[in-house]
Amino acid sequence: AQRVTQPEKLLSVFKGAPVELKCNYSYSGSPELFWYVQYSRQRLQLLLRHISRESIKGFTADLNKGETSFHLKKPFAQEEDSAMYYCALTRNSGGYQKVTFGTGTKLQVIP
Amino acid sequence: EAGVAQSPRYKIIEKRQSVAFWCNPISGHATLYWYQQILGQGPKLLIQFQNNGVVDDSQLPKDRFSAERLKGVDSTLKIQPAKLEDSAVYLCASSQHHGGQRTYNEQFFGPGTRLTVL
Repeated sequence: AQRVTQPEKLLSVFKGAPVELKCNYSYSGSPELFWYVQYSRQRLQLLLRHISRESIKGFTADLNKGETSFHLKKPFAQEEDSAMYYCALTRNSGGYQKVTFGTGTKLQVIP
Repeated sequence: EAGVAQSPRYKIIEKRQSVAFWCNPISGHATLYWYQQILGQGPKLLIQFQNNGVVDDSQLPKDRFSAERLKGVDSTLKIQPAKLEDSAVYLCASSQHHGGQRTYNEQFFGPGTRLTVL
């Protein structure tokens, strides 16, 4: 079975400080990992995926298979980064995508 | 393009009553998902459709929950009878079918329906 763990329910940082949102997973196969974000009064939306190796809104995430982690990082937090962040894992099951979400971390950026 | 539509946005019912939610996915998206998100938790997949067929309903409480996508477009999720623990936000999402390839297709989410069971 696959599992996604986000150990922090709430993370508060000051504007300009570095941010690291933790995500650990358990899955015996080759996972695909993602970060979704939900800003206040907006829909859940994809932020980034590990296979793209891209930086979105200054955020990056590296898949560490040895530590089974996919932490989300940003060097300098902005107030507009305040939101709920969900780590998700997907695997191919019978030709279909099976997605598991973590419990989410609320990021609060203090001005 | 228009996003995923859901209705109603809010619903308050008493336990043992019935309720139905509606979802219209993005045009052309073959895959449709229903999630339950209880306060403080992440979205939990209830059921996944590929066109009008069910591909995963392993976490759907089938004694009270049902869902259909008869024409492979819009979908309804029903709860009958509702329990207090069904209070949650019900999210609908859609994606293009990835055709068995490893590349993940982004899920697009609707605004959700907030259900309160009293």
